[in-house]
Amino acid sequence: GDSVTQMEGPVTLSEEAFLTINCTYTATGYPSLFWYVQYPGEGLQLLLKATKADDKGSNKGFEATYRKETTSFHLEKGSVQVSDSAVYFCALAHRAGNMLTFGGGTRLMVKP
Amino acid sequence: EAGVTQFPSHSVIEKGQTVTLRCDPISGHDNLYWYRRVMGKEIKFLLHFVKESKQDESGMPNNRFLAERTGGTYSTLKVQPAELEDSGVYFCASSQGGTGTDTQYFGPGTRLTVL
Repeated sequence: GDSVTQMEGPVTLSEEAFLTINCTYTATGYPSLFWYVQYPGEGLQLLLKATKADDKGSNKGFEATYRKETTSFHLEKGSVQVSDSAVYFCALAHRAGNMLTFGGGTRLMVKP
Repeated sequence: EAGVTQFPSHSVIEKGQTVTLRCDPISGHDNLYWYRRVMGKEIKFLLHFVKESKQDESGMPNNRFLAERTGGTYSTLKVQPAELEDSGVYFCASSQGGTGTDTQYFGPGTRLTVL
């Protein structure tokens, strides 16, 4: 079955540091890929998505590129802020079903 | 526009009791999903409604869980009787379309604690 693997956290960075959170997946066909973020006390929010190979999703300075050849969708940001502290979830969905399969989540802590 | 809302935000019950969780999707969204995250595990799909019909309930763990969406608006998820392993956070999400490219919008979740 489908699965998503992401690096375990917590990831602790200083403000303005470069961020990479790795995400790899196992799935048949060509799923859509997503990054969701959960800020403290809130629900999951879509951060970005990519629906086909080589697409790049971007939002709020975050980027991720759909790499079919390495089955990866790594999340990057050039300069993190304290306000980026949250839990980040990588997920996939097949076009027909739309059921999301999530990774385990990575907690990011950014210190001033 | 109001987002997805869930009630209650937190519920603490004894093993063997019944609990009903409610989800109000974004107005106009025909697709409604339930997920849950038990302690230390991934967020797992439970089921998917299209309007009032169950499209996919392959993730429902057992027959102690009953989901309904009468009238195709809000949905309820009942756990009866609750067991210790049901503790976790239950998320509801809704989307306009039902394909893999459609964005699902999540509610804040209901934290269920079974003692």
